[in-house]
Amino acid sequence: GIQVEQSPPDLILQEGANSTLRCNFSDSVNNLQWFHQNPWGQLINLFYIPSGTKQNGRLSATTVATERYSLLYISSSQTTDSGVYFCAVTLNSGNTPLVFGKGTRLSVIA
Amino acid sequence: DAGVIQSPRHEVTEMGQEVTLRCKPISGHNSLFWYRQTMMRGLELLIYFNNNVPIDDSGMPEDRFSAKMPNASFSTLKIQPSEPRDSAVYFCASSFGNEKYFGPGTRLTVT
Repeated sequence: GIQVEQSPPDLILQEGANSTLRCNFSDSVNNLQWFHQNPWGQLINLFYIPSGTKQNGRLSATTVATERYSLLYISSSQTTDSGVYFCAVTLNSGNTPLVFGKGTRLSVIA
Repeated sequence: DAGVIQSPRHEVTEMGQEVTLRCKPISGHNSLFWYRQTMMRGLELLIYFNNNVPIDDSGMPEDRFSAKMPNASFSTLKIQPSEPRDSAVYFCASSFGNEKYFGPGTRLTVT
């Protein structure tokens, strides 16, 4: 099956710093989503981004489908950004399941 | 919309007992997914339904696990009998098209 690798596995940032999280996948994908799992365990949708670039406030994401990677940028990080960031993909269109990476655990310290 | 609703949010039970987890998908969504999250295995798919029909249950660990979707607005995941290794967070997700939305999860502890 498809492999999803995220890096780095852990990241510690000082508040106000910027960061880039990476997601590599082993096959062509139809769907890619980024999630934030907050300290309470909830999975929050950040981006649906099978290709191209999107921005939402301090967060932005870019997927280069032909090169099989996606990047999540966090600018001016805040303590509330702490948690685990997951990349998840599907191979096929339509209502097929997501395959998750292992996540990047981000800790933002004041 | 209220989002995906799961109940209970926390469940503590003794080994051997039956456990039933419940999920209400977002109204209008036609696909529903059950995932399990553990430290060792991360987020893994258990089963999913399209239009209330089970499509792939290959992720269900063993016969002790079963899932149903009697209608478009309700699904259950049942574990009978439960074992300590079933302790995990169980997520339900729904979608209409490609983007999936997750519920808050049920944290199950089997002692």
